[in-house]
Amino acid sequence: DAKTTQPPSMDCAEGRAANLPCNHSTISGNEYVYWYRQIHSQGPQYIIHGLKNNETNEMASLIITEDRKSSTLILPHATLRDTAVYYCIVNPSGGSNYKLTFGKGTLLTVNP
Amino acid sequence: DAGVIQSPRHEVTEMGQEVTLRCKPISGHDYLFWYRQTMMRGLELLIYFNNNVPIDDSGMPEDRFSAKMPNASFSTLKIQPSEPRDSAVYFCASSLWQSGNTIYFGEGSWLTVV
Repeated sequence: DAKTTQPPSMDCAEGRAANLPCNHSTISGNEYVYWYRQIHSQGPQYIIHGLKNNETNEMASLIITEDRKSSTLILPHATLRDTAVYYCIVNPSGGSNYKLTFGKGTLLTVNP
Repeated sequence: DAGVIQSPRHEVTEMGQEVTLRCKPISGHDYLFWYRQTMMRGLELLIYFNNNVPIDDSGMPEDRFSAKMPNASFSTLKIQPSEPRDSAVYFCASSLWQSGNTIYFGEGSWLTVV
């Protein structure tokens, strides 16, 4: 039972911002939004997470709408190495629930 | 930090043979996870441990699969006997309770059962 909806694929030009959307209309009040990515032939890599405020780190920015029903992951200056499958996951943070459920994600292709 | 270390990286085995996958989590982490990834089913959580104790093994496909964590720095996932449908990439991951669901994955063990 999918908690998030993501487009199956997106393209982005190198050097431009990549904006990856995620819908999570049934998100609960205690659930965080997590983003992971998986570069081909590698293990998934944590990117960022947030509850209701926008978050930024060295990799990306996360914008969560005020009603928390959707979010956008922003890679400000995409490079070829950012080509990967990006997963949006909603889950309570830690506690007794560590069962992250990975959907199909969005395949982001960064083109030269 | 060396990250999560898995071995072997690649294994090809014959149907019916026993397969043992190994994992060394990040030092100090208190959660350890085993995931399996296939084209058909995507990334699935098989089992996870907290402080070396199995917490949830509901994702383990059947009795042929078993996982152990004898100490904080080592875990194994065993398949006995192996079948062709077990062919997949098996990922080990670890996390620290204080970091919530920030989970660090290894590079995976690519298993082919022929």
